[in-house]
Amino acid sequence: DIVMTQSPDSLPVSLGERVTINCKSSQSVLNTSNNKNYLSWYQQKPGQPPKLLFYWASTRESGVPDRFSGSGSGTDFTLSINSLQAEDVAIYYCQQYSTTPYSFGQGTKLEIK
Amino acid sequence: QVQLLQSGADVKKSGSSVKVSCKVSGGTFGPYTITWVRQAPGQGLEWMGGITPMFGTTNYAQKFQGRVTVSADKLTTTAYMELSSLRSEDTAVYYCATGSGYYNHWGQGTLVTVS
Repeated sequence: DIVMTQSPDSLPVSLGERVTINCKSSQSVLNTSNNKNYLSWYQQKPGQPPKLLFYWASTRESGVPDRFSGSGSGTDFTLSINSLQAEDVAIYYCQQYSTTPYSFGQGTKLEIK
Repeated sequence: QVQLLQSGADVKKSGSSVKVSCKVSGGTFGPYTITWVRQAPGQGLEWMGGITPMFGTTNYAQKFQGRVTVSADKLTTTAYMELSSLRSEDTAVYYCATGSGYYNHWGQGTLVTVS
């Protein structure tokens, strides 16, 4: 099974700050036949289901603000938030959908300093 | 607009089974895999398995093999997840979700409490 590891587990941040969350997979999720990384990012707020932010590592889901960006390839990925807003405080998860079971990272919790 | 509506919260005894439903509306039921993901209290997301209704094919995480059964009724566009031999560690919110490996539509979640 592919193990997804996020860092950090929690991140104290200030409003307006740039935030970077890392996600590492135990094996590559890049499909060399189509050059796509089978990696997605989700945002989850308390009491709500996860919300898709990115798929194919860097394709933004419709309606996601452009202060969010996704990058990376192979085994190392990053979710960035430019100028953090109050509504961005949440837990963020990466997920690989290259090989079943489609595993999630343990989550990164953003907290206001 | 695709919507997934799940059944309500449930309380079960250890050793029993639970069956959670997920009604899909507003989209094409058959070709996309409906997946089940669970989240224990204060914990992360755990992929359990899913079904592609068009083909009836299922795929389960090894951890749940033999205890979980995912099914789908194409007539009512409803998917089901049944988990047997429940234990306290199965207390969680169970979500159904659909998409193409990544999940852009989620149910509201169903809390299953095992006492």
